[in-house]
Amino acid sequence: EAGVAQSPRYKIIEKRQSVAFWCNPISGHATLYWYQQILGQGPKLLIQFQNNGVVDDSQLPKDRFSAERLKGVDSTLKIQPAKLEDSAVYLCASSSQMGGANYGYTFGSGTRLTVV
Amino acid sequence: GENVEQHPSTLSVQEGDSAVIKCTYSDSASNYFPWYKQELGKRPQLIIDIRSNVGEKKDQRIAVTLNKTAKHFSLHITETQPEDSAVYFCAASRRKLIFGQGTTLQVKP
Repeated sequence: EAGVAQSPRYKIIEKRQSVAFWCNPISGHATLYWYQQILGQGPKLLIQFQNNGVVDDSQLPKDRFSAERLKGVDSTLKIQPAKLEDSAVYLCASSSQMGGANYGYTFGSGTRLTVV
Repeated sequence: GENVEQHPSTLSVQEGDSAVIKCTYSDSASNYFPWYKQELGKRPQLIIDIRSNVGEKKDQRIAVTLNKTAKHFSLHITETQPEDSAVYFCAASRRKLIFGQGTTLQVKP
């Protein structure tokens, strides 16, 4: 089965610029997640989609981060304007559902963002 | 809010020894507990998982135990090998996956 696809793999931008990341989940996975992983830390959930609706965005810095999943398949995460502390790996994941719970979380390769 | 605590943050063992990593979770409704291995510059890879209706699961040299009453679960790696060296993350999930802080495991040849 094809995995979770992400692009780009690497991005270097200057602070105050904008950047966008793209993710295509595993086919049939209704739930999609964006995580931020700062070097040396565990992944932190930014936003969770169920089909094209937002389930949880409580840790998304909404003044500068936005995400959408318009057709319930692929998703984009945007940062505008970027800050130095946004330097991290942005991981996309998807999962299947059974009985209202999520299982089988699979991660993409991530986008490594460096803000200079 | 939901929280997962993981210990130790670093672990160094001799090749052939066992390694144990422990996690506690705060949300008593969590029902799925995966463990991920992450090598430098790569994505987290699922190595084993356990659901809340099971107390223990084993896959070759790797085993996970779950104590729902105490809200903690552990990863056990036996007969460690140098290729087991990586960062290991525990996680707990009900409707979203919350990660621990990670354990850097070093297996010395």
